[in-house]
Amino acid sequence: GQQLNQSPQSMFIQEGEDVSMNCTSSSIFNTWLWYKQDPGEGPVLLIALYKAGELTSNGRLTAQFGITRKDSFLNISASIPSDVGIYFCAGQPPSGGSNYKLTFGKGTLLTVNP
Amino acid sequence: GAVVSQHPSWVICKSGTSVKIECRSLDFQATTMFWYRQFPKQSLMLMATSNEGSKATYEQGVEKDKFLINHASLTLSTLTVTSAHPEDSSFYICSAPVLDEQYFGPGTRLTVT
Repeated sequence: GQQLNQSPQSMFIQEGEDVSMNCTSSSIFNTWLWYKQDPGEGPVLLIALYKAGELTSNGRLTAQFGITRKDSFLNISASIPSDVGIYFCAGQPPSGGSNYKLTFGKGTLLTVNP
Repeated sequence: GAVVSQHPSWVICKSGTSVKIECRSLDFQATTMFWYRQFPKQSLMLMATSNEGSKATYEQGVEKDKFLINHASLTLSTLTVTSAHPEDSSFYICSAPVLDEQYFGPGTRLTVT
């Protein structure tokens, strides 16, 4: 199926640094979701965005829903070792009824060097 | 937040046998659940949508006779991998929506020998 363009594919940073990753799509989405996946685990929802232009924070995480509804970014401030993992963006396209199908980005692998 | 569980967390089976994986919504009801598979270092690929009280809908390229889905109740969906082959070895994850958000189970690691 369709995939979002997520970048970067991987990041290797020092503890304490800020991190930014983004997703873009050729089509619009009604909802953007950001997940973190640890090895051998299922994705855990970090932030959900519902409106174009919305900026939402969750602790050291900040995410924005792009004005065009075709993009979103996630920022992590003051990274710590436990931020290590794969971050996925996911978008829910406009649809009627209870169609909750998500389209996923390919993920950003984050490594934090203590 | 909403909690989704899966059982088993890992399973090893012999080629040709069938394996059943359960997905449960623990603190909410889900008329719809989703099944994904994930290969190492890759993103999640949607396999099918499980619908309570009706047939599942499968994504293009997913064999419905091989991956049997039963959504028996508002809190339980099962995925049965029939006549498993080594190429079916993967990480299978289910999810369930709550309003406009989706919550994932912890995944099931299937290894077919």
